Amino acid sequence: QQPVQSPQAVILREGEDAVINCSSSKALYSVHWYRQKHGEAPIFLMILLKGGEQKGHDKISASFNEKKQQSSLYLTASQLSYSGTYFCGTELLTGNNRKLIWGLGTSLAVNP
Amino acid sequence: GAVVSQHPSRVICKSGTSVKIECRSLDFQATTMFWYRQFPKKSLMLMATSNEGSKATYEQGVEKDKFLINHASLTLSTLTVTSAHPEDSSFYICSARDYSGRDNEQFFGPGTRLTVL
Repeated sequence: QQPVQSPQAVILREGEDAVINCSSSKALYSVHWYRQKHGEAPIFLMILLKGGEQKGHDKISASFNEKKQQSSLYLTASQLSYSGTYFCGTELLTGNNRKLIWGLGTSLAVNP
Repeated sequence: GAVVSQHPSRVICKSGTSVKIECRSLDFQATTMFWYRQFPKKSLMLMATSNEGSKATYEQGVEKDKFLINHASLTLSTLTVTSAHPEDSSFYICSARDYSGRDNEQFFGPGTRLTVL
């Protein structure tokens, strides 16, 4: 049930773009995206609730393809502050307690 | 955004002692809170779902008698690691979902780093 994130790790130069994917083998109700910096708690980025929904703020956006049961996080013109580990959390259509199942994370390093 | 606090932020204890970690939702009522464990450079591992006024729901492989969870009020859940051993050393994070919010986002506490000597 655990979603699969790809790639595992990305190294960028400041200003470059990146895409992080999150795929599930089960039908999804929602996808949540978080960023975690070392030694800190994860910080909420956005949640996508409907198939085909797209969201974004600043230079970080995401899409949710309900049919493909996957979501993608788009980071454009990356900044140094974007460095961290990105996790997707998926909520299943048939899940109980509305708990999130987390991917293994994608490590992103943005260098000057 | 909503705030979830955790206390203590760091604890070092001797093997065999019990450690209590508190998780509070500061500006919203949380009927459900989640307890996670995270090892270095690893993903979040859900330990249990804490439900206000009822028993917690534990994930497979998590010992109920080892990790006691109490959700006494709509703003407080506690995790007690009983008779802690070095293998229990980890980063423990709680979270709460604000179902009254627009996005039903899950807010995480700052985490508690437990070191058992």
